[in-house]
Amino acid sequence: ETGVTQTPRHLVMGMTNKKSLKCEQHLGHNAMYWYKQSAKKPLELMFVYNFKEQTENNSVPSRFSPECPNSSHLFLHLHTLQPEDSALYLCASSGAGATYEQYFGPGTRLTVT
Amino acid sequence: AQSVTQLGSHVSVSEGALVLLRCNYSSSVPPYLFWYVQYPNQGLQLLLKYTSAATLVKGINGFEAEFKKSETSFHLTKPSAHMSDAAEYFCAVSDKQAAGNKLTFGGGTRVLVKP
Repeated sequence: ETGVTQTPRHLVMGMTNKKSLKCEQHLGHNAMYWYKQSAKKPLELMFVYNFKEQTENNSVPSRFSPECPNSSHLFLHLHTLQPEDSALYLCASSGAGATYEQYFGPGTRLTVT
Repeated sequence: AQSVTQLGSHVSVSEGALVLLRCNYSSSVPPYLFWYVQYPNQGLQLLLKYTSAATLVKGINGFEAEFKKSETSFHLTKPSAHMSDAAEYFCAVSDKQAAGNKLTFGGGTRVLVKP
């Protein structure tokens, strides 16, 4: 595998379920990100990790819980979600500096029923 | 706080015509700027970036953008549209003062190419 991979690509879950999204990057980057992309809304940064440490939490509800066990892997644990949480969740990675572009995975399309 | 405004959420162009996508930014420090493209059911892909070198930046697929400090703009152009350019395009500004690379994205412009 090359680049940034995300699994699963599609997920349907009930409001009482617990699920996790997985992201893996094969680029040797030190920064990883979770974004939420909803219809008719700008891309929203959720979390930023640098060298496995969380450096940004953009006022995300606690029903979203990120985990970064190492610089190559990033998880987003989901529990008791709401229908408005249905969206495309994108993971990205980059070098640790402002000039470095972010590389995005294909996203997980989440539907909360 | 930084912000990005993309004028026009939808743009329709004829195949072979000029593509012009507008991006204006607000930043308290000289910015780093990026253009990304998103094809259906895919993540974002970098088209080009400006990081304080040449103000005219060339990217992939024939796209280029010009950084104009006086106008706080970073418009994206392509001289001749191709059907494969149909996608959504995002302008983004980097927060150089944040740890890592925090990007603020514009709302996106969806491009439709007519044959």
